Amino acid sequence: GQSLEQPSEVTAVEGAIVQINCTYQTSGFYGLSWYQQHDGGAPTFLSYNALDGLEETGRFSSFLSRSDSYGYLLLQELQMKDSASYFCAVRDGGRDTGRRALTFGSGTRLQVQP
Amino acid sequence: DGGITQSPKYLFRKEGQNVTLSCEQNLNHDAMYWYRQDPGQGLRLIYYSQIVNDFQKGDIAEGYSVSREKKESFPLTVTSAQKNPTAFYLCASSPGQGHSPLHFGNGTRLTVT
Repeated sequence: GQSLEQPSEVTAVEGAIVQINCTYQTSGFYGLSWYQQHDGGAPTFLSYNALDGLEETGRFSSFLSRSDSYGYLLLQELQMKDSASYFCAVRDGGRDTGRRALTFGSGTRLQVQP
Repeated sequence: DGGITQSPKYLFRKEGQNVTLSCEQNLNHDAMYWYRQDPGQGLRLIYYSQIVNDFQKGDIAEGYSVSREKKESFPLTVTSAQKNPTAFYLCASSPGQGHSPLHFGNGTRLTVT
């Protein structure tokens, strides 16, 4: 099977930098994704890493190390609107090598304080 | 504008009744998915469909059923066999090719009493 672990909560102040870690165990691996979800809302896609290294998109960056089965999401210049839950997700073969669905972690709730 | 529409936003049912949640997309996506989210938890896969007239069970399919008769529609039925049906249900779609991000609907919050 597959499993992902990430911290349940993180608190930071406006303007700061925060890193949300994710470790995963999968039977196959086809990339690590990150999604953001505000309370009661729909998850929205943030980033995707298929290869090792850092991907930067504006204030958000995502890192992957396949050898360590580890990745992180880095949020810079935090704003109040960044308060949300952040989920890492993997697409793997699972029990069915044709499976193309994502498996999500339990989410990290980020609270940005003034 | 293209998107995914889930209706209704809130749904209330009595225990023992089947209920069908609607999901429609006009993004011309091949793949569609149903996830369940419980408070403070991640998304768990119920069913997914990569193409019309075909679908596969996810990790928690027991007590649920789906159909995919049209590309645009992927309704989910929560049956009376589902032991804990109260949850937030999210439908998503993707082009289905290679890595393609999921596009989510705004969800249906189902409460069964």
